[in-house]
Amino acid sequence: LAKTTQPISMDSYEGQEVNITCSHNNIATNDYITWYQQFPSQGPRFIIQGYKTKVTNEVASLFIPADRKSSTLSLPRVSLSDTAVYYCLVGGGFDTGRRALTFGSGTRLQVQP
Amino acid sequence: NAGVTQTPKFQVLKTGQSMTLQCAQDMNHNSMYWYRQDPGMGLRLIYYSASEGTTDKGEVPNGYNVSRLNKREFSLRLESAAPSQTSVYFCASSEARGLHEQYFGPGTRLTVT
Repeated sequence: LAKTTQPISMDSYEGQEVNITCSHNNIATNDYITWYQQFPSQGPRFIIQGYKTKVTNEVASLFIPADRKSSTLSLPRVSLSDTAVYYCLVGGGFDTGRRALTFGSGTRLQVQP
Repeated sequence: NAGVTQTPKFQVLKTGQSMTLQCAQDMNHNSMYWYRQDPGMGLRLIYYSASEGTTDKGEVPNGYNVSRLNKREFSLRLESAAPSQTSVYFCASSEARGLHEQYFGPGTRLTVT
């Protein structure tokens, strides 16, 4: 399983851009990078997924360098409602075995007014 | 669409008691998953079902059994509950295994005394 390393916590203020970086040095060729968001007392929610370069959707952007050993989730202009835990997952791909996506401890983002 | 539903929402068991957690999805997804989340931790995969009629172990299967009753339903059984199984249990489903987005239920908060 590709192990991921993320900061345990981050603080920001409303209106700022937040970048959360995830390290995954042993990512496999077929692995994708997926980010989930989890609010207290709720199940995780999919945010974005990518394989290389840059992916953008209505919620966030995902930047992946050429070596794919890290990735950065970018949240533009955060609000108080973005306070949550963010998980970086590596895996999936075309593998159909037991190598399921693994949730680490995540990054706890606290947005202040 | 209700998405993924779980019952019960809360449960208190005594050590040695058994119970079954129920999960159902109405998105016609092929794959379903059971996770546990201990306080302040990420999610750990207990069991998954890649498709109807198949189940496989995840990271932490000991002490649990599962049944994929049909395409909609995936249950998790604790045969003899232990305090170490106190946790929040999340069920999820996805279109298929691998990189597909997982949709999570609201969770079951289980306390074993």
